[in-house]
Amino acid sequence: QKEVEQDPGPLSVPEGAIVSLNCTYSNSAFQYFMWYRQYSRKGPELLMYTYSSGNKEDGRFTAQVDKSSKYISLFIRDSQPSDSATYLCAMRRAAGNKLTFGGGTRVLVKP
Amino acid sequence: DAGVTQSPTHLIKTRGQQVTLRCSPKSGHDTVSWYQQALGQGPQFIFQYYEEEERQRGNFPDRFSGHQFPNYSSELNVNALWLGDSALYLCASNGGISTDTQYFGPGTRLTVL
Repeated sequence: QKEVEQDPGPLSVPEGAIVSLNCTYSNSAFQYFMWYRQYSRKGPELLMYTYSSGNKEDGRFTAQVDKSSKYISLFIRDSQPSDSATYLCAMRRAAGNKLTFGGGTRVLVKP
Repeated sequence: DAGVTQSPTHLIKTRGQQVTLRCSPKSGHDTVSWYQQALGQGPQFIFQYYEEEERQRGNFPDRFSGHQFPNYSSELNVNALWLGDSALYLCASNGGISTDTQYFGPGTRLTVL
C-alpha cells in the first residue's frame, strides 16, 4: 500500500465549476501538507502549504487538512480552462525535507 | 529573481551509459533535493544535499549519486543506466535543511534507449 493515495482521474468539469481533489495518507508522522500544480512536461508549481488541521484559503484555492482522518483536500472555485493540469498532493514529516507525493490527479476544465 | 534552473532540458542515452544532470537553486536557497518522476506518477525522492553533504536518501540504488558545490548548485549522476531510469528528473530547493517548502525546477527529461 502506498503511503499517499490520490485518485488519478481524469476529472473533467465545465468552466466555472468547483474542482474537488483529495488525498489520503497512512503515516501519522506527516505534519506538513502541500498541493502542487503541474502542467504537461513542466516542473511542479507550489499552490498551497498547510500545517495544522483546518482550512486555508488563497484566492480561488482552499486547502483542508483533517489529521484525525488522515485526509487532505483542495478546492478550486470558479475553475478556468487554464486550471487544466495535474494536481499533486505532497507531505513531509516535521524534520527533514523529503516530500512524499501522491500519484497526481489530472484535471480538465472544459470551456 | 531567478527560480530553480536545470540543465540540460532533454537528454537521450543508451543502456549502460552514465549521465550527469545539473541544478542551480533559487536565489537565497542553500538546500537541494532531487526527485525522479516516471510518466503518469508522482515524484519520488532521491536525495537531499545541504552544506555539500548528502543528508537524506530515498530508496534508490548506489548508481544514483550526487554532489553539491560551495555555491549551492548540485549535480545528479546516474551510472549504468537502465531503461527504467527514463523519467523526468526534478530538482527542488529551499532555504534550510528543515525549513520552508520546496520550489521545483522545470526538470530534465532523460530517455534511455
